Parts: sequence; structure tokens; C-alpha cells
Amino acid sequence: NAGVMQNPRHLVRRRGQEARLRCSPMKGHSHVYWYRQLPEEGLKFMVYLQKENIIDESGMPKERFSAEFPKEGPSILRIQQVVRGDSAAYFCASSPLERGFGQFFGPGTRLTVL
Amino acid sequence: GENVEQHPSTLSVQEGDSAVIKCTYSDSASNYFPWYKQELGKRPQLIIDIRSNVGEKKDQRIAVTLNKTAKHFSLHITETQPEDSAVYFCAAGGGATNKLIFGTGTLLAVQP
Repeated sequence: NAGVMQNPRHLVRRRGQEARLRCSPMKGHSHVYWYRQLPEEGLKFMVYLQKENIIDESGMPKERFSAEFPKEGPSILRIQQVVRGDSAAYFCASSPLERGFGQFFGPGTRLTVL
Repeated sequence: GENVEQHPSTLSVQEGDSAVIKCTYSDSASNYFPWYKQELGKRPQLIIDIRSNVGEKKDQRIAVTLNKTAKHFSLHITETQPEDSAVYFCAAGGGATNKLIFGTGTLLAVQP
């Protein structure tokens, strides 16, 4: 059973470009969470999704950021018109359970905005 | 809002000694408390978790204790080894919320 997969592992974008981050949950997991980690800081919750539904997006900036988890395919975190402050590691986690229980993390995508 | 405080921020111990990391949480509805270990440049790994219906859980050299009244929970690592060196994060969740709130992390250094 493969773990949580994320790609790309590293992403470099120039200011104003779009960043698209992908997350494939573990087999059998229908709950996906996205977190942002700034250098030498903790993990900040962004959004929680189930298949085709956004359940909780209270941690996600209202502008430029969006997330989806379609019926088929990976979950996508999309950042439009990136700025230098978006540079961070973005982790997704998946779980077979709701309410945050039992989350397993992917390897992360390290986004660098030039 | 919801908050998790974690102490200490750094901890250095000698190999073989014990290490204790403490967290407090603010949301009294929280009922799930996992601990994650993150090595440099790697993903956070779930090492142990506890639900509020128990006060203590142990897995080999690691244990977690929970005091719901005081809203405290702690990670205990015994017989530390150099490979235990990492950043450890506590988190609180469950209850009425769908998310985990993470502490700010503890950098544990085990000196050989």
C-alpha cells in the first residue's frame, strides 16, 4: 500500500505565475488535508476535503488559493499569482477517518517563488 | 481561537536519558492528540496518538499522557538514541472540528 504521494516535490515559480500542487491519498483514504509549513515553523491547517467536497477551508487565504478533490484523480491545491510570501513547504495528509483522526503525511512540495 | 502551546522549543539530552515534551491546548472539545516526528527535509511521521477516553498510551520507548482536566498532554521518550533526534510536533483535534491544530515544535537533540 503506497503512502501519500505528492508532486512535484520541488516547484519554482516567478511572481505572478500559478502553482499547482497535487496529492494522491493512500488507498482507501477519502479525507485529505492540506497544510503549509514555513521554514522552522509548525504546520498550519489550510483546508480539509472529501471527495468532491470542501469541508473546511477556514485556514486558506480567501484570495488566490483554491483546492479541489475530484471524484477521479488527485487533490489539487492551486495558488494563483504567486508572491514571495507563498514560498513554503506544502504538505497534504490523508486519513480514512473524519475529524482529523489518523492523518498520514505526504513528502511535501517545496514551493520557491522567485 | 484554538491554540496549542508546546514546550520546550529545544531539548538536548544525553543518549540513554529520557526526554519529555509538554503541550497544552485551549479547545476543551478536543478529543484526539497525535504526536509527529519530523526529520530535516522529511515528512511528519505519526509516532503515537491518544484519544480522550484514556489517560496514557505506551508503545515501546514512547508514551503519551493526557490530563483532560488541565488540558495538558505530554510525550515521553525513554532510553533516547541519536536517531530520535528530530523535531517533534504535538497536535489537538477531533471534537467539533475537522482539523488538527499543531504546536510549534520541539527540536530534540540526542547527544551520543
